[in-house]
Amino acid sequence: DAGVTQSPTHLIKTRGQQVTLRCSPKSGHDTVSWYQQALGQGPQFIFQYYEEEERQRGNFPDRFSGHQFPNYSSELNVNALLLGDSALYLCASSWTGQDYEQYFGPGTRLTVT
Amino acid sequence: AQSVTQLDSQVPVFEEAPVELRCNYSSSVSVYLFWYVQYPNQGLQLLLKYLSGSTLVKGINGFEAEFNKSQTSFHLRKPSVHISDTAEYFCAVRRGGSYIPTFGRGTSLIVHP
Repeated sequence: DAGVTQSPTHLIKTRGQQVTLRCSPKSGHDTVSWYQQALGQGPQFIFQYYEEEERQRGNFPDRFSGHQFPNYSSELNVNALLLGDSALYLCASSWTGQDYEQYFGPGTRLTVT
Repeated sequence: AQSVTQLDSQVPVFEEAPVELRCNYSSSVSVYLFWYVQYPNQGLQLLLKYLSGSTLVKGINGFEAEFNKSQTSFHLRKPSVHISDTAEYFCAVRRGGSYIPTFGRGTSLIVHP
């Protein structure tokens, strides 16, 4: 049983560009959450998707957007990249009946130059 | 908004010694509490959680934590650590009714032989 997978593993972008990160949830899970983890910090909640809609959002600007597909996989899009967007982006999946039990993927390391 | 304070950024300890990693959170009517572990270049793994009931919670890898409502603390303990426990540990709190967890900044546990 595959766990949560994320792609790509690493990414280097230039300031002002746009990026798309992808996440496939653990089998049986229907909810996907995205987090940003800056170096030396704890993860910060970006948003959560359930039934293809954004269910709740953290304190992130509209440059951060997402999507959930019918197969429960998800994308995180970031527009107009800033240097401060450099971070590890983590995806976590859960089943809505036990949404406190989140399983995390290995993350995508984004570097903005 | 919830806040989580992990009082120690780094905890060095010798192998087979006991360890305690401290976590305090801002008060709320009802909270769910979590401890996660993050090994280098990996995502987060849930160690244990407190949802309700017994204040002493046992998790994986021999870890346990005690919920203290009066002191708003949720300290993580292990009676005897191994080299393989070297990792970053994050405390997280989620207010009842919210999908948004707040993470602490993490404590780096370094186990020396």
